Amino acid sequence: DAKTTQPPSMDCAEGRAANLPCNHSTISGNEYVYWYRQIHSQGPQYIIHGLKNNETNEMASLIITEDRKSSTLILPHATLRDTAVYYCIVRLLSSGSARQLTFGSGTQLTVLP
Amino acid sequence: GAVVSQHPSWVICKSGTSVKIECRSLDFQATTMFWYRQFPKQSLMLMATSNEGSKATYEQGVEKDKFLINHASLTLSTLTVTSAHPEDSSFYICSARFAGGFYNEQFFGPGTRLTVL
Repeated sequence: DAKTTQPPSMDCAEGRAANLPCNHSTISGNEYVYWYRQIHSQGPQYIIHGLKNNETNEMASLIITEDRKSSTLILPHATLRDTAVYYCIVRLLSSGSARQLTFGSGTQLTVLP
Repeated sequence: GAVVSQHPSWVICKSGTSVKIECRSLDFQATTMFWYRQFPKQSLMLMATSNEGSKATYEQGVEKDKFLINHASLTLSTLTVTSAHPEDSSFYICSARFAGGFYNEQFFGPGTRLTVL
């Protein structure tokens, strides 16, 4: 699975959009970009994933560059409860085998009041 | 969404004792479950992959005789930390692979905080 690079920490004002970047320059054509977050002392929570098109769900939007070497997770209106470590993970999608998720160091997002 | 539970949520034990942690998929069947360990201010590290009805696959550096994994049913996997020592104190998290959909997503449990005195 391709390696990802994320900034170690970011701050965001409550109510503003939080934009979390992720670099994955060695991503291959059949690897997906996944985002999870982990609130302190809890298990990780799935947020969103995508291959090459931008994706949006009730939690966030995922913007993937055309060359797929980087992506941005957008929380449109951050709240204090969004304070967490956000992990960007790149992995193959294989319906036949159960591939584990490999977590990097992530980005600690702190939403400020 | 799919729910994964862990029990207990926290446990304190004496050095040398064994501790069992349960991971259950509550509303779906999970052919594969994963066990992670997380030390303070560090990321999750995969310990082992547990497949229903077969032996677990351990990551390099993880002692299989110390961390016993049993995946006896499609909804339950257990991790037993045998002869626990203070260095085993950590946050243990399981995840279960939902095989019902196309994406075969993983859902995580809330974690178990183990403190070995």
